Amino acid sequence: GESVGLHLPTLSVQEGDNSIINCAYSNSASDYFIWYKQESGKGPQFIIDIRSNMDKRQGQRVTVLLNKTVKHLSLQIAATQPGDSAVYFCAEIVAVAGGTSYGKLTFGQGTILTVHP
Amino acid sequence: EAQVTQNPRYLITVTGKKLTVTCSQNMNHEYMSWYRQDPGLGLRQIYYSMNVEVTDKGDVPEGYKVSRKEKRNFPLILESPSPNQTSLYFCASSAYATNEKLFFGSGTQLSVL
Repeated sequence: GESVGLHLPTLSVQEGDNSIINCAYSNSASDYFIWYKQESGKGPQFIIDIRSNMDKRQGQRVTVLLNKTVKHLSLQIAATQPGDSAVYFCAEIVAVAGGTSYGKLTFGQGTILTVHP
Repeated sequence: EAQVTQNPRYLITVTGKKLTVTCSQNMNHEYMSWYRQDPGLGLRQIYYSMNVEVTDKGDVPEGYKVSRKEKRNFPLILESPSPNQTSLYFCASSAYATNEKLFFGSGTQLSVL
């Protein structure tokens, strides 16, 4: 079946380093991708998104790259800080047929990012 | 402050005892949904609602019920909880039918003994 997965379940970095979190997806019909951050004891929080007609999008300290050829998504965090320590989920959205414009959201398993001071 | 509020945060119950987890959002969002989060399985959608009185099954709806009588509230009902429903539950809302930019609640940790 269709799935969204991650190459690395855990990532440890030093404060100030750049972090790269990877995600592979298998549904070529996905037209929208999102990264969420989940801190301990909290719900997932939207970080950044990208549409399938783009290959790069930048936010504040974060960049998402989309490679549709190999169905790969990555999240880059610049100058990683201890406050960035969390679980990061990629998610893909596929439009559901039927005229409702509803998007089916599928989450990846998550990567644990640990930032050491 | 824009938020999705779930209650309770923690709940321990016994098999077969009906329970309700409440969810309320103050952003006037039309779209609301429930997810469960389990180790190794990630977040899976239970039910979703596109508007008042409009609900539909997600990927794992068995054993759950929902209702959407008001726009702001979307309670999750377990009529007869079983141990395999022990999980971390999240309610979410969005202004978009496409499910862009979901706002999540803080979660409800449910243990069914």
